[in-house]
Amino acid sequence: AQSVTQPDIHITVSEGASLELRCNYSYGATPYLFWYVQSPGQGLQLLLKYFSGDTLVQGIKGFEAEFKRSQSSFNLRKPSVHWSDAAEYFCAVDISGGSYIPTFGRGTSLIVHP
Amino acid sequence: DAGITQSPRYKITETGRQVTLMCHQTWSHSYMFWYRQDLGHGLRLIYYSAAADITDKGEVPDGYVVSRSKTENFPLTLESATRSQTSVYFCASRGLAGGSETQYFGPGTRLLVL
Repeated sequence: AQSVTQPDIHITVSEGASLELRCNYSYGATPYLFWYVQSPGQGLQLLLKYFSGDTLVQGIKGFEAEFKRSQSSFNLRKPSVHWSDAAEYFCAVDISGGSYIPTFGRGTSLIVHP
Repeated sequence: DAGITQSPRYKITETGRQVTLMCHQTWSHSYMFWYRQDLGHGLRLIYYSAAADITDKGEVPDGYVVSRSKTENFPLTLESATRSQTSVYFCASRGLAGGSETQYFGPGTRLLVL
């Protein structure tokens, strides 16, 4: 069975500061990994995904994530946070071999102080 | 318009009533999903469908019924609504290109059961 852990329920940062949101997973095969963002009152939007190749993945809105197999992690980063980044962030895992049913973490709520 | 739509966006109903939430996608995606989102639980899968006339239970299927007579539609019915089904419901779809395929989410339906 696959599972995803987002250890931080809330993260508070100041505008302009750097950000790192953590995601750890357990899996039985090579995973596909995703980060989604949910703005208030909206559905989820894909930020980035990893399934092979370069372990540092660039996404939309200036976000990036790094896959570290040794740590079973796929942390999301942004060098300088904007107030508009305040949202809920979800990590998701899908094992290769075609389960087609991703498992989502519980989400991390990002609060941005001016 | 292309994309994935949900209706209604907001619904208030009473305990014991039947409620149907609609989901429509224009991409001819094979897979469709229903999730509920509750504070502290993140996204939980209710039901999913791999193709027309093929549906399967997710993590929290009790009290819900789905059907998929056409590829583009995936309605979710609460047969006898309960207060515990007050939630935000998201529909999603994805193609058949393997585990790396992105899920696309609708804007959500906010359901209040009184």
